[in-house]
Amino acid sequence: RKEVEQDPGPFNVPEGATVAFNCTYSNSASQSFFWYRQDCRKEPKLLMSVYSSGNEDGRFTAQLNRASQYISLLIRDSKLSDSATYLCVVNMRNDYKLSFGAGTTVTVRA
Amino acid sequence: NAGVTQTPKFRVLKTGQSMTLLCAQDMNHEYMYWYRQDPGMGLRLIHYSVGEGTTAKGEVPDGYNVSRLKKQNFLLGLESAAPSQTSVYFCASSYLQVAVDTQYFGPGTRLTVL
Repeated sequence: RKEVEQDPGPFNVPEGATVAFNCTYSNSASQSFFWYRQDCRKEPKLLMSVYSSGNEDGRFTAQLNRASQYISLLIRDSKLSDSATYLCVVNMRNDYKLSFGAGTTVTVRA
Repeated sequence: NAGVTQTPKFRVLKTGQSMTLLCAQDMNHEYMYWYRQDPGMGLRLIHYSVGEGTTAKGEVPDGYNVSRLKKQNFLLGLESAAPSQTSVYFCASSYLQVAVDTQYFGPGTRLTVL
């Protein structure tokens, strides 16, 4: 079983719509959780960390459910510029290693 | 402030050839990492370094070697390239351990092994 699993999508949504997707992780001892964004043929960039109580950053909301071992990302009022692949990233131990999901692709259409 | 840079951006090798990928960061980061990204898979850690002069194996180290002689540089070597090493290689760095600090990625090197 993969350490981090994501629905690859693609999620095709119109501008202004809300889109949400999840990511599941296999190790219950996971410590830290992140969403990274990767544009086509570019490097990943940190979108936001995910905190236990859930957190918002503008139009983006991240939630963590430790009991069911998943994290979620919700994008409100989608913009064309939100089109990207969103990588779920989990830190399995409190040290060097990050485990990356394969990504969920979101395409926002005009 | 260039951040993380990688050289070269593209490369085509023949099976059995060797090459070195260079990663440089100007953020005074202690930690540096090499990943590979293949279609349908998440980034996988090849090797990493927790400081100048140190290196350690990640989850897919076979066929690769690394060196960190200077704090700002992290080199990835392919000793005898194989088609299975066709991939996009990303270097990353962070000031602190990844659990508490952002990783900054370079633009990637697209390597094709024929």
